[in-house]
Order: sequence, then C-alpha cells, then structure tokens
Amino acid sequence: GESVGLHLPTLSVQEGDNSIINCAYSNSASDYFIWYKQESGKGPQFIIDIRSNMDKRQGQRVTVLLNKTVKHLSLQIAATQPGDSAVYFCAEKSLEAAGNKLTFGGGTRVLVKP
Amino acid sequence: EPEVTQTPSHQVTQMGQEVILRCVPISNHLYFYWYRQILGQKVEFLVSFYNNEISEKSEIFDDQFSVERPDGSNFTLKIRSTKLEDSAMYFCASRAPPTGELFFGEGSRLTVL
Repeated sequence: GESVGLHLPTLSVQEGDNSIINCAYSNSASDYFIWYKQESGKGPQFIIDIRSNMDKRQGQRVTVLLNKTVKHLSLQIAATQPGDSAVYFCAEKSLEAAGNKLTFGGGTRVLVKP
Repeated sequence: EPEVTQTPSHQVTQMGQEVILRCVPISNHLYFYWYRQILGQKVEFLVSFYNNEISEKSEIFDDQFSVERPDGSNFTLKIRSTKLEDSAMYFCASRAPPTGELFFGEGSRLTVL
C-alpha cells in the first residue's frame, strides 16, 4: 500500500543555519507533493509544492527537492529563524485518488535554537 | 485573505453523544475535506466531498460519520455516537481549483469523556 514517511522525528537547528527535512514515499503513482508547516494548536499551513515533472522548486527561503528514482522528497529552509519552529509534514497525492486526497507523512519537529 | 473557518474551536462531549463540527470553506473552492489528527500523530484523511457527494472516504470514516453541505456555504461533519477514540483535532480543508493545494482551517478539538 502507499505510505509517506519521515526519517527524523526531531531536528534541532541553530538560528541562522540551514535546515533539511527529509521524507520518503512509496507510491510510484504519486504526482504531486506538498510540504506543510504546523504550529502548535493550528492547522497545517501550505509552504511549497512540487509536481512530479520537476525535481526542484524554490520559494522564499525554502527549496523542495524531489528524487523520483529513490522516492525521496526534502525541504530545505535557508537561514532558519525562530518562527520556523514547528512540525513539518510532507504530503502526497496519487493519480489514483479520485477525490484528490492528500496522504500525510508522520511529521518532523524543527526546534530553532537562538 | 480568504480562509477556511471552523467552529467550535473546542468541544467536550460525553461518550455516545452526537457531535456536529462545522466548516465554512473558501467560497470559490469546489472540493472539501475532513482530516483528523490524534494528539502527537500525523494528519489522517477522513473524507472528500465534491458536487454534493462523497468522492472518497477512508476506513476511519465508518457509519458513525457523515458529512453534509446543507446550504452552499457550510460543510459539516457529524459523528453520531462518539467514542473515546474519536478524541482528536478535526481539520476541514478546501481545494483551490485548478491546483491541488489544500487550505486548512484552524481545527476543532474534540474531547470525548
């Protein structure tokens, strides 16, 4: 069955350093991937997405890399700030999902140290 | 900026009681979703809704659950007879056409005693 998972449950990073959060997926039919940020007590907030016809996409201070060969997704945050402290989820959508549902990974908590 | 709004923010109920969670999706969105998140766990898909009918549902979404779009703006999740294990954050989301991005509400915390 399909699954989306994360390698590291918690990532501690010094303020100003770069953060890298990794995610693995198993469904070869996945064609769309999203990174969400969830702050305590709030709903998931869209960060950046990437389609399967791309291998890299950049946003403001964030970059998503997609390696379809090994079914791996990563989120890079440049110059991490205290406001980046949150749980980060990767999510994927499958071509087979008629309702366009997203399947979420287990989440990585990022703690930014001042 | 348009947003998905949910009410109530927190509901406490007794086991066996019926609960209705309400959501107002973003107005021009066409696909609506309910997800839940048990404390400390990942976000789990419950159901998707399009064109006034369920388009997909998960194994979690059993006969105790139902969804409705009663008036063209609200989107509700009903749990007929709550169980202790229904305690979770319930997130409503809607999709912006034509992209696949989901916009989530702030969630409704359900506590079943």
